[in-house]
Amino acid sequence: KNEVEQSPQNLTAQEGEFITINCSYSVGISALHWLQQHPGGGIVSLFMLSSGKKKHGRLIATINIQEKHSSLHITASHPRDSAVYICAVRGGGNQFYFGTGTSLTVIP
Amino acid sequence: GAVVSQHPSWVICKSGTSVKIECRSLDFQATTMFWYRQFPKQSLMLMATSNEGSKATYEQGVEKDKFLINHASLTLSTLTVTSAHPEDSSFYICSALKPGTSGRALIYEQYFGPGTRLTVT
Repeated sequence: KNEVEQSPQNLTAQEGEFITINCSYSVGISALHWLQQHPGGGIVSLFMLSSGKKKHGRLIATINIQEKHSSLHITASHPRDSAVYICAVRGGGNQFYFGTGTSLTVIP
Repeated sequence: GAVVSQHPSWVICKSGTSVKIECRSLDFQATTMFWYRQFPKQSLMLMATSNEGSKATYEQGVEKDKFLINHASLTLSTLTVTSAHPEDSSFYICSALKPGTSGRALIYEQYFGPGTRLTVT
């Protein structure tokens, strides 16, 4: 069983739709990251959070430490949001665990 | 945001040769950098943690004699794939930790390089 589970694995949405990607983890963490990887491979760190909620533009990330669960929301989705979204948690000793990613395709 | 670069962005080499990949933090000093590899359609796998001025810490199953890591300065870490084989073909990504503060707390943000695609023929 992976330490980090993401759902769904694949997601297709119409432009403008509200999107939610979920992440559950089973280890104790100091921080959780949401990463965005574009087809070329480049990775951008979207959020790092250890509690509560963060918002950046159309992106919102929440985390519930007690339930060991985080969600990434995209409002008013756009084709340029098409990418793989990866949830990663940082445990003790700088150890990272990665989810397998959610491949998002937003159709115009 | 902070910038991390990797060089080269892609490389093709023959089996048996060695390849060096550089990871640089361009506008901040990073005492800690990480090296990952990613196979097609799979997630990132942490290979090792690179600490400036000391030996790298390798994850279980990663051969330290094959994947040599040198973090000689606060802005540069290198990964050398020695005696490369076709199964080493992969996408290698580095990241660097940038220290910062949030209120009174010391925090670290992680910035990723653009990756290096290695193909061993």
